[in-house]
Amino acid sequence: GAGVSQSPSNKVTEKGKDVELRCDPISGHTALYWYRQSLGQGLEFLIYFQGNSAPDKSGLPSDRFSAERTGGSVSTLTIQRTQQEDSAVYLCASSLVGGSIYNEQFFGPGTRLTVL
Amino acid sequence: AQSVAQPEDQVNVAEGNPLTVKCTYSVSGNPYLFWYVQYPNRGLQFLLKYITGDNLVKGSYGFEAEFNKSQTSFHLKKPSALVSDSALYFCAVSAVRESPNDMRFGAGTRLTVKP
Repeated sequence: GAGVSQSPSNKVTEKGKDVELRCDPISGHTALYWYRQSLGQGLEFLIYFQGNSAPDKSGLPSDRFSAERTGGSVSTLTIQRTQQEDSAVYLCASSLVGGSIYNEQFFGPGTRLTVL
Repeated sequence: AQSVAQPEDQVNVAEGNPLTVKCTYSVSGNPYLFWYVQYPNRGLQFLLKYITGDNLVKGSYGFEAEFNKSQTSFHLKKPSALVSDSALYFCAVSAVRESPNDMRFGAGTRLTVKP
């Protein structure tokens, strides 16, 4: 079946502009994660959604970052007033059930964001 | 907080030779260890994990990893490398069985296998 998809694959924006990144998880997966991958850095956890529960936003680096998940499926990560340090690859992952090391996360190809 | 170190940014091996990608971890309590691989223009893929039991874990594509508690290591190995193994490899550690944001990833090691 289809894997996790993300759009756009590449996004170039100017400093100060807002951007929206989209993630389509695997159908039936209740958990969805956003990570940030910066050059030379490991994956940085951003936010986690599990079913209808309140999202775990503990990894969001600032209040310019927000995310929502509509209908328990598609998720949008929004970065307001982008800064150059926001440039990175943003990865989305989903798992059948979340919050456990026993549930494998399936990753999307990522969105490469470049802030000029 | 737990952490992972991948001491080598780059590993180069010849096709057919054995490969090792190193990973050391720091965690309070029992570690849960993972390896992921990222091929060009593709998302991360799960390779293998150590939760409990045998220290030698076998995973996808002929890879295996050995958990060494005394050395706090979880090195990834393969007896005979293929050119198609060339990719970016990430080690990760979690210290809690049931926590969504507990996993910590290393910076990655780029493996290049030359014909």
